[in-house]
This record gives sequence, structure tokens and C-alpha cells, in this order.
Amino acid sequence: KNQVEQSPQSLIILEGKNCTLQCNYTVSPFSNLRWYKQDTGRGPVSLTIMTFSENTKSNGRYTATLDADTKQSSLHITASQLSDSASYICVVSGRRDDKIIFGKGTRLHILP
Amino acid sequence: DAGITQSPRHKVTETGTPVTLRCHQTENHRYMYWYRQDPGHGLRLIHYSYGVKDTDKGEVSDGYSVSRSKTEDFLLTLESATSSQTSVYFCAISESSQGGGGTEAFFGQGTRLTVV
Repeated sequence: KNQVEQSPQSLIILEGKNCTLQCNYTVSPFSNLRWYKQDTGRGPVSLTIMTFSENTKSNGRYTATLDADTKQSSLHITASQLSDSASYICVVSGRRDDKIIFGKGTRLHILP
Repeated sequence: DAGITQSPRHKVTETGTPVTLRCHQTENHRYMYWYRQDPGHGLRLIHYSYGVKDTDKGEVSDGYSVSRSKTEDFLLTLESATSSQTSVYFCAISESSQGGGGTEAFFGQGTRLTVV
């Protein structure tokens, strides 16, 4: 069964610190993986998209990595800011059909 | 929010009543989706559309119907609302299919529906 598992479920860090969120998936054959940020009360917004051949992609203070062999991805946030408080959702799409699989998300809280 | 408007933003309704949620886009994207988001679950696909009058079911389609008579509008209808349909509903759009290497989806602000 195609699944996307994210960890941790929630995370609390101090402003200015770094953190790493994990995403493991079993979707096969794999097409691409996206990380979305969802602020409270709003819809998800795309941060990065990675295809099979990409290992690392950055978007400002956000850096996503992908290991297609182990089916793992991570999202690293550098020098966290209060505005980074949100849910981060990993989304994986397969190559065969129109469906995509959403992870349950990691809820990140940044404390001042 | 990429030219997507959901209405209403909030609604409280009674069990057994019909409810229609509207999604309107100004991007002329071919694909439109309805998701629901509940605590402890990832976003789950209800129905999607790949063109005017072309729709298909998602993983949690029971109790829901959709219609797309124009490119810009995608309606989600709960024929007889139940308490289990209390949720936050998101509309999304994409230029091409999200699966199989397609483009990203842009999401609306969400509609919070409470069925009492």
C-alpha cells in the first residue's frame, strides 16, 4: 500500500535554532515529492518539488533532500523564525496514476 | 492564493440538510480538486475534475457529489449532511495532473463546515 509517513508529529524549538523534518514513503514507482507549508487557517503552499534525479533543493532557509534509494526525504530549516510556525506536509506522487499521497504533517512551533 | 476563492469560508448546518461549497478559480487551470482535512489524517481527496463536466472520485467520495459546468467553478455538494462530514474542506487547482510528474497544486483558503 502506498504510504507517506512523517516524523516527528510535532516539534517545538527556540527561535534561531535549526531543525529537520523527516518524510518516509513507500510510493512506487516514484515520480516526485513536494513539501508544503500550511499556516493555521490557510491552505497549503508549496515550498519545494523534487524529482527522482534531484538530491537537494533549497528555497531560502528551507533545504529539502531526497534519497530515492531509501525512499526518504528531509526538510531542513535554518535559523528558524516565528513565522516558520506551521504544519509541514510531505506529498508524494507516483508515476502510474493521477493520485498523490499526503503525509499527515509535522506541526512545528517556534518559541521566542 | 493563486486566484482561488472558496465560499463560504465558514458554515454551520444541521444534520440532513443539503450543503454546497463553491470553488472559483481565475487561473484557467484544467484540474480542480476537493479535499477534506481532519485531525490525525492527511489531506484526503474527495473528488477531482480534469475538465468541464469531467469528474472522478477520490478516496473518500461517499456522501459527496461534484459538478463542473464551467472551467472556473467546481462545486462540492453534500446531499444530506452528517456529523462525520464536519471538516475543513480545501479546493485545489493544477495545470496538469498532480500524479505522474505533473505540476504542483495551489490551494484555496479552506471552508470550515460544522454539521450539528
